[in-house]
Amino acid sequence: GENVEQHPSTLSVQEGDSAVIKCTYSDSASNYFPWYKQELGKGPQLIIDIRSNVGEKKDQRIAVTLNKTAKHFSLHITETQPEDSAVYFCAASKGDSWGKLQFGAGTQVVVTP
Amino acid sequence: DVKVTQSSRYLVKRTGEKVFLECVQDMDHENMFWYRQDPGLGLRLIYFSYDVKMKEKGDIPEGYSVSREKKERFSLILESASTNQTSMYLCASRGKTQYFGPGTRLLVL
Repeated sequence: GENVEQHPSTLSVQEGDSAVIKCTYSDSASNYFPWYKQELGKGPQLIIDIRSNVGEKKDQRIAVTLNKTAKHFSLHITETQPEDSAVYFCAASKGDSWGKLQFGAGTQVVVTP
Repeated sequence: DVKVTQSSRYLVKRTGEKVFLECVQDMDHENMFWYRQDPGLGLRLIYFSYDVKMKEKGDIPEGYSVSREKKERFSLILESASTNQTSMYLCASRGKTQYFGPGTRLLVL
């Protein structure tokens, strides 16, 4: 089955700097890659996703890149702010709405003022 | 806005009790999921359902069962709660994208 590895497990950045989280996946048939942000005591919230027919997607300070050949995808957060502090999860799945998501282990991001 | 709601944010139960966790979604999604989340172990899939009255085991189904009598509602049942089921339980609903509920933090004493 699919296996998703996520690095780093913790990431500390100064406010205003950029943060990058990387994930690799094992199943070349995977074609959907969402990213979730989980704040303390809350459920994960979808922040951005990408499908395999696209190499990059941006939404304000957040961007995701996908390299299908290398089977890895990354989350980039620019101009980090204290409210970006949270746990971030990557995930991968095959198919569209019917595929189960396989999650990475999560990255704890701490943005220090 | 997609809404996935869970019946309780916090629950305290005793060992051996039967526990029901309810989840409701309002987006007419066919797919619903139950996960548990523990420190250092990430999100682990317990059960999922692709349609009404259909269910499939996830990675850690032991000690749990589920019920999906209506499309919008997916229930997780702990037949006889044990202390090792103390955890955060997350329900999710999926159409083209997957949305999570706020979670239920369950403490079994």
